[in-house]
Amino acid sequence: DTAVSQTPKYLVTQMGNDKSIKCEQNLGHDTMYWYKQDSKKFLKIMFSYNNKELIINETVPNRFSPKSPDKAHLNLHINSLELGDSAVYFCASSQVSGAADTQYFGPGTRLTVL
Amino acid sequence: AQKVTQAQTEISVVEKEDVTLDCVYETRDTTYYLFWYKQPPSGELVFLIRRNSFDEQNEISGRYSWNFQKSTSSFNFTITASQVVDSAVYFCALSEAPGNQGGKLIFGQGTELSVKP
Repeated sequence: DTAVSQTPKYLVTQMGNDKSIKCEQNLGHDTMYWYKQDSKKFLKIMFSYNNKELIINETVPNRFSPKSPDKAHLNLHINSLELGDSAVYFCASSQVSGAADTQYFGPGTRLTVL
Repeated sequence: AQKVTQAQTEISVVEKEDVTLDCVYETRDTTYYLFWYKQPPSGELVFLIRRNSFDEQNEISGRYSWNFQKSTSSFNFTITASQVVDSAVYFCALSEAPGNQGGKLIFGQGTELSVKP
């Protein structure tokens, strides 16, 4: 009965590869997000989708492409992985897209690029 | 521009001590929302509290309390009688009103709290 789930939890890959991270929420929320936490633990938003529509794209390199097949799922595909992409990626969801709404986070996916 | 500053990078206390985590924010909006999240060693981000800019009442939840002061743009978090299980990184975050990239959380740098037995 996990509210926001992500797979995989750990991802180790070589530079130049393409990888995907999947996120699912069973809270019935309309809005989902991707955040990146770097090695210094700093958290920054990457994308936000509201009911499958992209509403926030925070100047992320276009090697990162989010896809939302339905409002319960938001996947993150990363092409041509670079060393600097190593981080923990968190998915989150909120009931609506307003600033007032609490965002609930998934467990995170630790990506290591070698 | 919006900004959240948590000046304390690390705090170490002994169990049963009280500890306050500071959070100072900057925003040009009159309507905004403030949050605290906890990140225990296991890595997940746990929601603790949300306050809106119109509600300056302090809040208490068990051993946790929050002091919101608009005059100093601060939203501080106090843990009373700390326990080892409180050891975590704590993040303060700001979100502005709908219509301004609503739903975007701006996080502080985090404060790592270590509670020793």
